[in-house]
Amino acid sequence: AQTVTQSQPEMSVQEAETVTLSCTYDTSESDYYLFWYKQPPSRQMILVIRQEAYKQQNATENRFSVNFQKAAKSFSLKISDSQLGDAAMYFCAYRRAGANSKLTFGKGITLSVRP
Amino acid sequence: EAGVTQFPSHSVIEKGQTVTLRCDPISGHDNLYWYRRVMGKEIKFLLHFVKESKQDESGMPNNRFLAERTGGTYSTLKVQPAELEDSGVYFCASSPVRVFYTEAFFGQGTRLTVV
Repeated sequence: AQTVTQSQPEMSVQEAETVTLSCTYDTSESDYYLFWYKQPPSRQMILVIRQEAYKQQNATENRFSVNFQKAAKSFSLKISDSQLGDAAMYFCAYRRAGANSKLTFGKGITLSVRP
Repeated sequence: EAGVTQFPSHSVIEKGQTVTLRCDPISGHDNLYWYRRVMGKEIKFLLHFVKESKQDESGMPNNRFLAERTGGTYSTLKVQPAELEDSGVYFCASSPVRVFYTEAFFGQGTRLTVV
């Protein structure tokens, strides 16, 4: 069975600084997707960034980038130039290849941004 | 276009009572997923509909939980009778059926508290 581990329950970052959120996973599959989702307080969860396992290049979306280490089964999220609106709960998630398969989530990490 | 909508946003019920949660997916999305997050733990998969058919219900915790998706549109998740351990946030997500990758869109969740 696949598992996703987020060992840090909370992190804090100063506005405009950079923060890295850690995630490790375990799977026997060779083809899969990895995700970071963001859930602001009392709002719906939205997709921040996605990484396909077959791609060696790390995904980037504006201020968000990942460090995907397939052999180490590590998938960290880097947020650059942190903004107050980045404060949220962040979930790392895994999904095996196949368009309609379910997501496996980590416990999440609460990120606070200090002004 | 409306996103995934869940009703109610909060529900507080007594142990032994019945509660019905509703999810309205994005129009045209045949995939519908239910997930649950118990406080401090991972978001766990409950079940997956494709249209009105249950594709995977391996995550349903026990027979006190009943999910339906009549007509392949909205879905309901009924808990009867509710127990204390059913407290948590219930998320719904939907996506179109595709051969390759497709993003799942989440609702804001229903926070269920059983007292």
